[in-house]
Amino acid sequence: GAGVSQSPSNKVTEKGKDVELRCDPISGHTALYWYRQSLGQGLEFLIYFQGNSAPDKSGLPSDRFSAERTGGSVSTLTIQRTQQEDSAVYLCASSSIGAARNTIYFGEGSWLTVV
Amino acid sequence: AQSVTQPDIHITVSEGASLELRCNYSYGATPYLFWYVQSPGQGLQLLLKYFSGDTLVQGIKGFEAEFKRSQSSFNLRKPSVHWSDAAEYFCAVGTPSGNTPLVFGKGTRLSVIA
Repeated sequence: GAGVSQSPSNKVTEKGKDVELRCDPISGHTALYWYRQSLGQGLEFLIYFQGNSAPDKSGLPSDRFSAERTGGSVSTLTIQRTQQEDSAVYLCASSSIGAARNTIYFGEGSWLTVV
Repeated sequence: AQSVTQPDIHITVSEGASLELRCNYSYGATPYLFWYVQSPGQGLQLLLKYFSGDTLVQGIKGFEAEFKRSQSSFNLRKPSVHWSDAAEYFCAVGTPSGNTPLVFGKGTRLSVIA
């Protein structure tokens, strides 16, 4: 697609439920990133994929958080047993290799509210 | 590990006035530097980037930034602010080692008054 696409754009869930957030990166981009942005906070790095592998999972806040990427394209971020502190905007981004490397392009985010 | 500091949480400027948003980074070598803007309810849009070469880089929407190695800074400037520039601005640092995650500052919120 033309840009990074994320779904759902908004999600309200009850505490304790599981949620899945989807990211469709820019076509041809090999790297994919997940960040979290809480109200009034900066961007917190969660996880990064190069192809289908995740060389850096250091930012996942707990074992309730997991992510996968299949076919070198779409990625899913899963939050199990959601807690109120998980409420945030989850931003996905992607980047290519070569001259444009390290220039990452963001989607518009998935706004998660845990009630 | 690299880090970014944006010292100003919130700045208010008058429409038509000049703007400078500060960004300081920490990294052992020459970093890749970026400025992103986030309008309310939107994702992040890339304003400009510095990889190497000319230390004054031009971006979209009339913004520019200057890389100063001696000061470890990459301040964002605009000569004349428009009301539509009101947004959150994020500075970020990356490394030349490849596709690695950017590290972001906490952002500076810009308000524009008439």
